[in-house]
Formats: sequence, C-alpha cells, structure tokens
Amino acid sequence: GQQLNQSPQSMFIQEGEDVSMNCTSSSIFNTWLWYKQDPGEGPVLLIALYKAGELTSNGRLTAQFGITRKDSFLNISASIPSDVGIYFCAGRNYGQNFVFGPGTRLSVLP
Amino acid sequence: GAVVSQHPSWVICKSGTSVKIECRSLDFQATTMFWYRQFPKQSLMLMATSNEGSKATYEQGVEKDKFLINHASLTLSTLTVTSAHPEDSSFYICSARWQGAYEQYFGPGTRLTVT
Repeated sequence: GQQLNQSPQSMFIQEGEDVSMNCTSSSIFNTWLWYKQDPGEGPVLLIALYKAGELTSNGRLTAQFGITRKDSFLNISASIPSDVGIYFCAGRNYGQNFVFGPGTRLSVLP
Repeated sequence: GAVVSQHPSWVICKSGTSVKIECRSLDFQATTMFWYRQFPKQSLMLMATSNEGSKATYEQGVEKDKFLINHASLTLSTLTVTSAHPEDSSFYICSARWQGAYEQYFGPGTRLTVT
C-alpha cells in the first residue's frame, strides 16, 4: 500500500530558529495536508495543498506541494515554545482516503 | 469553524464491558466521518470510514463486530468497542469532512483504558 515517510523523525531546535521538515511518498498524490498534534489532543489542520508546486502560508508556517507530486515540505520560521508537538503530513489521491506519515516530533529549547 | 467534539475525553472500563464514544461536528454537516486509533508515539491508523446513513467501511484487519460504528445523522457518529479487552486500550480519534471537501477536521480524541 501507499506509505509516507517524514524527515526528520525528531528535531531539537533553539527558540527563534527556522524549521524545515519534509514528507515523501512512494506514489503520486493530488492533495497534501499538514497537521500539528499536541500531547493528548487531536491533530489540528495547519495547511492544505491542492496543486503541484503550490506554496501556501499560514502565519509563520509555509508548506509546499512538491512538483513531482510525491513530496511536500513544511517550514516554520522563528520558532516559539508553543510550536512544540508532532507534525503529521497526510496525502491522498482521487477517490482514496488520506494516508498519514509517521510524524516529525519537534522540541524547542528556550 | 469546522469544530469536531468527542465524548468522553477519557474512559476507564473493565474487561468484557462495552464502551461508546461519540463524535459530533458542531458547526458543519459531516457527510463523512473517520475513526482512527493511535498508539503512543505512533501515527494515526484508520479504522473505518462512515458516510451518513450508510454502513461503515472498515480497514483490513479491523473487526467490524468488535468496533461498531454508527453514523445516523449528519452531525453524529458513534464508535462502540464491544467486549473490551486491555489490548483495546488506546487513543481513539474521529475526524469529519463535509461534502465536496478534501480536508478532514479532527476531534480532541478519547483515551480508553481497559482494566
């Protein structure tokens, strides 16, 4: 079946630093979603991407739909303590359910 | 907008009993709802998809007789874990989307502990 990989698995950064993470797929997707999950909570939708090459921002977050349609990227600028959490990517193709990646665990050091 | 609630947020039950978890879309009509299970430090595992008024579609390996899903209205879906056992202990999360949308909005999750 379809699988997603997320890189890095975890990262520790200093407050104020920029963060980059990515998500790769073995197959082509036509929609990518990025979610953030805090401990003990449900995932919260951050950004949705619908077209190859699309670049979308949500505050300090920017995500891109890779032109190969097999990857997506999420960047966080000027990280703050509340950015701590697990970031999941999810991709789907027409008529299919979303597949979720294993997540990138972000820790922000003050 | 796009708020999904779950009830209860946590539940402890004895082995052999059944537990019902509710998922509600508060400000939109959820034509499709999804139930996920999440183990500690792992990703979301889709259990089943339900469309309002239809029988749920279960993912391979998920026992439909053990995890009963009902989506009787456009704002409510329920997951009943029947004859629960300790191995059913997990974090159960629902999500919902409206007709024509791609995005899914998640509830806050329900932590089930079976003793």
